[in-house]
Amino acid sequence: DTGVSQDPRHKITKRGQNVTFRCDPISEHNRLYWYRQTLGQGPEFLTYFQNEAQLEKSRLLSDRFSAERPKGSFSTLEIQRTEQGDSAMYLCASSWTATGTDTQYFGPGTRLTVL
Amino acid sequence: GENVEQHPSTLSVQEGDSAVIKCTYSDSASNYFPWYKQELGKRPQLIIDIRSNVGEKKDQRIAVTLNKTAKHFSLHITETQPEDSAVYFCAASASSASKIIFGSGTRLSIRP
Repeated sequence: DTGVSQDPRHKITKRGQNVTFRCDPISEHNRLYWYRQTLGQGPEFLTYFQNEAQLEKSRLLSDRFSAERPKGSFSTLEIQRTEQGDSAMYLCASSWTATGTDTQYFGPGTRLTVL
Repeated sequence: GENVEQHPSTLSVQEGDSAVIKCTYSDSASNYFPWYKQELGKRPQLIIDIRSNVGEKKDQRIAVTLNKTAKHFSLHITETQPEDSAVYFCAASASSASKIIFGSGTRLSIRP
């Protein structure tokens, strides 16, 4: 499968615990994005990387959230001290900017449930 | 700030009829407008997109129109089929390689 992959697909955790999600973009895509989607809503932008550089972060991304893309390939999103309001689907997307076709391709998402 | 409004939130049409979903955007710098289809439990998938130098684009039964002056863009699906049932999201971006701002979605149901 050459599409965007995410792991885990589902995560249930207790309030106050830390969680980490992983995203593997399409091979050679230089941009990677994180979005959050709650039930009945469209995806909301959280942050994005070009190669290993984090270029933009949304105000939605509180200090409890941190994202990395250390080698410009896969990325991790960590949420510390989870709260019930963090329950959502976390989507990753990737794109390739050099060809002029900057379509963002989405992964299947990680569904987080905070009890 | 940047905002994309989408209407209607739900739409039910008879199989074979047309469906139209309308969106407006606030950021005049927006120049890329993708449409995504999301089936239940699945990832959003791009179905068509349009850039600001084009007023209309068509791909088989799907067409998008863009009115930059009015900041409106629309999705038209003709000859609807049961497999068109899904949630559709319009979106806008100030650059085709940066963040996308999504609308709130339209749940389309096709009646047999």
